[in-house]
Amino acid sequence: ELKVEQNPLFLSMQEGKNYTIYCNYSTTSDRLYWYRQDPGKSLESLFVLLSNGAVKQEGRLMASLDTKARLSTLHITAAVHDLSATYFCAVLNAGGTSYGKLTFGQGTILTVHP
Amino acid sequence: EAQVTQNPRYLITVTGKKLTVTCSQNMNHEYMSWYRQDPGLGLRQIYYSMNVEVTDKGDVPEGYKVSRKEKRNFPLILESPSPNQTSLYFCASSGTGLVHVYEQYFGPGTRLTVT
Repeated sequence: ELKVEQNPLFLSMQEGKNYTIYCNYSTTSDRLYWYRQDPGKSLESLFVLLSNGAVKQEGRLMASLDTKARLSTLHITAAVHDLSATYFCAVLNAGGTSYGKLTFGQGTILTVHP
Repeated sequence: EAQVTQNPRYLITVTGKKLTVTCSQNMNHEYMSWYRQDPGLGLRQIYYSMNVEVTDKGDVPEGYKVSRKEKRNFPLILESPSPNQTSLYFCASSGTGLVHVYEQYFGPGTRLTVT
């Protein structure tokens, strides 16, 4: 059974600082997704990582995937208040009869302070 | 406008009274999925569908049914709701292209309370 763990679960940052959110998963997969959720809102797709070594960047966020280590990171550069949200990673089942099954991490609640 | 719609957005019901939450997408996506979100547990997949007439269980399918008779619609049915199904429900869809599931587009959510 695929397990996905994020850490930290809570992250309080000062504006201008850098930090990384980690997403570890337990079984082989090469499809990993990052989503953002604002309070009371739905989820918004940030990144889709489709292969080992994939790196994607959008603004102050950069995501990477290491399938050998079963680890993805979401790096935040020079945080601003607008980045305050909950961030989820999700991993796609690699194959077999359960292809299409998605498992989410618990989410990381990010708060950026002035 | 490309979107996933869910109805109703809010629902309060009583134990045992059958209900259906509808989900519709206008992006011709093959993949559709239902999730429930509970505090501290993140999102958990209930059912997913890779295409019309193809559905499969996620991590928490007990107490739920789905059907995929048309590509655009993927209703979630609770035959006999119980209080532990009180939750926030999200429907999502995605293109697949060469069997890869790409980014999902999420609906606005349905907040269900079962008393």
